[in-house]
Amino acid sequence: ETGVTQSPTHLIKTRGQQVTLRCSSQSGHNTVSWYQQALGQGPQFIFQYYREEENGRGNFPPRFSGLQFPNYSSELNVNALELDDSALYLCASSLATGAGAEAFFGQGTRLTVV
Amino acid sequence: KQEVTQIPAALSVPEGENLVLNCSFTDSAIYNLQWFRQDPGKGLTSLLLIQSSQREQTSGRLNASLDKSSGRSTLYIAASQPGDSATYLCAVMDSNYQLIWGAGTKLIIKP
Repeated sequence: ETGVTQSPTHLIKTRGQQVTLRCSSQSGHNTVSWYQQALGQGPQFIFQYYREEENGRGNFPPRFSGLQFPNYSSELNVNALELDDSALYLCASSLATGAGAEAFFGQGTRLTVV
Repeated sequence: KQEVTQIPAALSVPEGENLVLNCSFTDSAIYNLQWFRQDPGKGLTSLLLIQSSQREQTSGRLNASLDKSSGRSTLYIAASQPGDSATYLCAVMDSNYQLIWGAGTKLIIKP
């Protein structure tokens, strides 16, 4: 059984550019959630995908978008990057959504916007 | 709006001590509460998950309790070791099935 994997691990982008982050969910998990964690803070929920459909969204602008594929892997896209987008981006997978769902996290992608 | 607070923000104790980390939340309408560990610059490792109907969960030297009515959870670490040094985060699953997080407690265990 493979865990949650994210790529790339580190990334440096210039303000105004676009970025795509990738996440492979744990085997058998059909739900993927994305979080942004600024330095010294707890993660903030961006959005969740369940069976290829968006299933909830946090307080993030539309330039943050996502996708989930038939194999349940997922992408996070951020357009028009701003300096404040610099953070650790975490992906979590779970088996279905709902109260019993335990979230398992990847190691994160550290994005630096200069 | 659900808010999660963790106190203290940082804690430094000698090896071997038992310690308690605190987590409080403002809205008792939660589905579960989860404790995580995060090493510097790394992802999150799930430690314990407590469903809203449960009072506590145990794993090895870790014990987590949940008092939903008072909006509080504690993580008890017995016989602390230097390898326990990390940031510990709690998160509650709210009525929209979203995880709401505290800012974490940075724990340092001195050899």
